[in-house]
Formats: sequence, structure tokens, C-alpha cells
Amino acid sequence: DSGVTQTPKHLITATGQRVTLRCSPRSGDLSVYWYQQSLDQGLQFLIQYYNGEERAKGNILERFSAQQFPDLHSELNLSSLELGDSALYFCASSVSRDGDYGYTFGSGTRLTVV
Amino acid sequence: AQKITQTQPGMFVQEKEAVTLDCTYDTSDPSYGLFWYKQPSSGEMIFLIYQGSYDQQNATEGRYSLNFQKARKSANLVISASQLGDSAMYFCAMREGSSNTGKLIFGQGTTLQVKP
Repeated sequence: DSGVTQTPKHLITATGQRVTLRCSPRSGDLSVYWYQQSLDQGLQFLIQYYNGEERAKGNILERFSAQQFPDLHSELNLSSLELGDSALYFCASSVSRDGDYGYTFGSGTRLTVV
Repeated sequence: AQKITQTQPGMFVQEKEAVTLDCTYDTSDPSYGLFWYKQPSSGEMIFLIYQGSYDQQNATEGRYSLNFQKARKSANLVISASQLGDSAMYFCAMREGSSNTGKLIFGQGTTLQVKP
């Protein structure tokens, strides 16, 4: 157990639907990062939150949104799902806002859109 | 723009031999960090080794070492005495120090297969 908890582990849903992926960071970590891993795009940074505030944004689609709550857990919302959104979604956490002391990755949520 | 390039989509190595996985990077930031991660077939991302741009010595962690050549902008991972359990996908990643964020940019990965 890495200390970062992602739920659910697997998700199968239909096109056009909306899903929420959840991440609980390692205890004491203030930053949460979301990454998408797909066969064609590889591992892409989506978004970072630090202590509840958005810190950095990557190639995140407008159909996707995220937030970090006061208890520091984070949720990634994916809406109007398309087949191409099928991917492994990772959450990672770090103590600092710039990852100075390294990162801990969760085991990922595998999303399949059918 | 920052970029990580891993030119070897797949590699084979005989058990107990050493193998080098290539990684080149591109950044104009003088302060950056380089990471290697292992992703077995089960999917999780496992941290292997870290090299800071100002570190004087090459990083080592057990059987893993990082051949850091700053002028060439390369950060190759060397795995000594390969084991069957080393079969996995390996990713090189970079964090730019002056960006004030912790986002990582990943390479496309190299699949390593260890032969018995």
C-alpha cells in the first residue's frame, strides 16, 4: 500500500456518461496530481492541487474538472465521456507544492468507456 | 519546451546481465529533477531513482544507477544483475525547478523483458 488511495480501481461506463474518480493522498501530503495514461498519448499531466488550490494545469479537456477538498482528498470529474477517454488515471501526492521530496502514486483507476 | 525522449520502445536482456535504458531531456531551466519509474503489468508506478540537476554525483539505489550526462542532457538508467522481476515498463520523467509546480513530464516509456 503506497499510502495514496484511489477509488474505484475499475470503472466501465457508456459514452456520454459522467464519472467521478476519487483520490486520498498520503497522510501529510498537501499536493495532489492527476495523470492520464493512454496507449496513444502516453502519460499526460492533467492538473495539480496544493492545499485546496489549483496549482498547475496540463492538457486537461474542458469536459474534465477536478477539485481538492478541505480534508485534502481530490476528485476528478469526467463528463460527456468518449471512447478515447478510456485510460488509466493516476493520482499522485507530494508533501510540497513543487514535489521537492518526491511523489507517491496511487494504483490508478482504469476507466473503460464502451 | 520541456520534453523527455525515450528512444527504445522495447528492450531484451538476459537474466543477471546489466542493461541501460536511454533517456534524453530538453529544458532551458537550470534547475530540474529527473526521475525513473517502473510500471509492472499490474499497473502501479514504482519510484526507482532521482537525480537533481545540481547533484555532483550520479544517483544510485541498490541495483539501479543513473548515468547523468548534463552536457548531453541524458539521464540513462542502468540496472545491474537483471532479475525476472525487472520485466516491466520503465518511464523517465522530469520536473522543472523554476515552474513552482510539481508536475512531471514523462517519456513514452521502454518495455524491458528479462529472459531466463
